[in-house]
Parts: sequence; C-alpha cells; structure tokens
Amino acid sequence: GAVVSQHPSWVICKSGTSVKIECRSLDFQATTMFWYRQFPKQSLMLMATSNEGSKATYEQGVEKDKFLINHASLTLSTLTVTSAHPEDSSFYICSARESSGPRGTQYFGPGTRLLVL
Amino acid sequence: EDKVVQSPLSLVVHEGDTVTLNCSYEVTNFRSLLWYKQEKKAPTFLFMLTSSGIEKKSGRLSSILDKKELFSILNITATQTGDSAIYLCAVEEAAGNKLTFGGGTRVLVKP
Repeated sequence: GAVVSQHPSWVICKSGTSVKIECRSLDFQATTMFWYRQFPKQSLMLMATSNEGSKATYEQGVEKDKFLINHASLTLSTLTVTSAHPEDSSFYICSARESSGPRGTQYFGPGTRLLVL
Repeated sequence: EDKVVQSPLSLVVHEGDTVTLNCSYEVTNFRSLLWYKQEKKAPTFLFMLTSSGIEKKSGRLSSILDKKELFSILNITATQTGDSAIYLCAVEEAAGNKLTFGGGTRVLVKP
C-alpha cells in the first residue's frame, strides 16, 4: 500500500520558536496533501488543504500566518508552526491523496507529536 | 456545515463478541465515506464506501452504507484484543476532496 512519512515524529521546543514538519509520499505522487491536528481524546480536525504549486486552503479558524504550508513538489509538503506556544502542543498528522485515477484514498502519515514548553 | 456523528462513544467487549459501530452524516456534496482504525499513531485505512447497500468485507470486518438514511455501520465479528482501537468514520465531499471526521468510537476488547 501507499506509504506516507512524517518527520520528525516527536519534537519538543521552547515557546516562541518555529517548528517545521515534513510530510512525504514515498511511493506515489500526491497533488493534494492535508494537514490535521488531533488533541488528546479528540478526533482529527482538518487544518488546511495543501495543493502542489499553489497556496494552501485553510479551514475556518486556522491562522495561515501561524501555520505556514508549502507544497513544493508532488511528494513533499511542509507545515511550519511559527512562534509556537504551549496551546499549539498537539498531534499533527498529514495525509496524501494519490494523484492518479478519478478518486484516490487518503493515506495518513504516522503523525508528529509537538510539545511546546 | 458538514457533520459526522459516531456512536457509541466507547464500548467494552470480550474476545469473541461482535461489535457494531454507527456513523451518521450530513454533508452538502457527498462523495464517499471512509472508515479508519487508529491505534497509537495515525489512522490506517479500512474501507471506502460510495454506493448504498453494497457490503464491503475484509476478514472479520465489514461495512455498509445507506445513502438514503445517511449512515454507515462497521461490524467486527469474533473480536480479538488486537481490535482494540479508536475507529474513525470520515466523509469525503466532492468539492475539495477534504475529509470531515466523526468523533470516533473507542473499542476495548478484553481477553
């Protein structure tokens, strides 16, 4: 099956620093990638849709200047949490949708746990 | 606003029992409904359903969609401790391809 990787898997940082998370589709091309956030004991909340070569589409309530998304190639999207604060601590998960075919399943990365001190 | 509601929130069963998980939805422009299993990390894909009345099966798991009544069920028969997880239902809309997730059902299978 399709494999999506995320790096890093864990990050601990001080308040005020910026953190970059990478999401890669390893064996397929993904025109579209999605970024989710999951708080403990809650479901996944879509943050933004990342389209290769164009600006990301953010969900209501998600600050685009705080969560910078870059989708520079068909296999890589990055999420940068700028000036992170403790309330940004969460589990960030990306998914990638196969470009080929009329409809593709989203495959999820293993997630990145962010802890902001 | 798109809405996906799962029930029950959680359940505890013993090995060998059968569980039925429910997912109801309200989506403006429905494309498909997906079921995922989440253990400690990110969700793993189980099923994608697009047509009403056609059961999808994978081993002890099966799922079916009712597009008229706007719900889906996921069945797990002869449960095992390895089935313990959070089961997530998500609906994909046609425009934008984004997924809206339900709150999940936490299943605990005791030996």
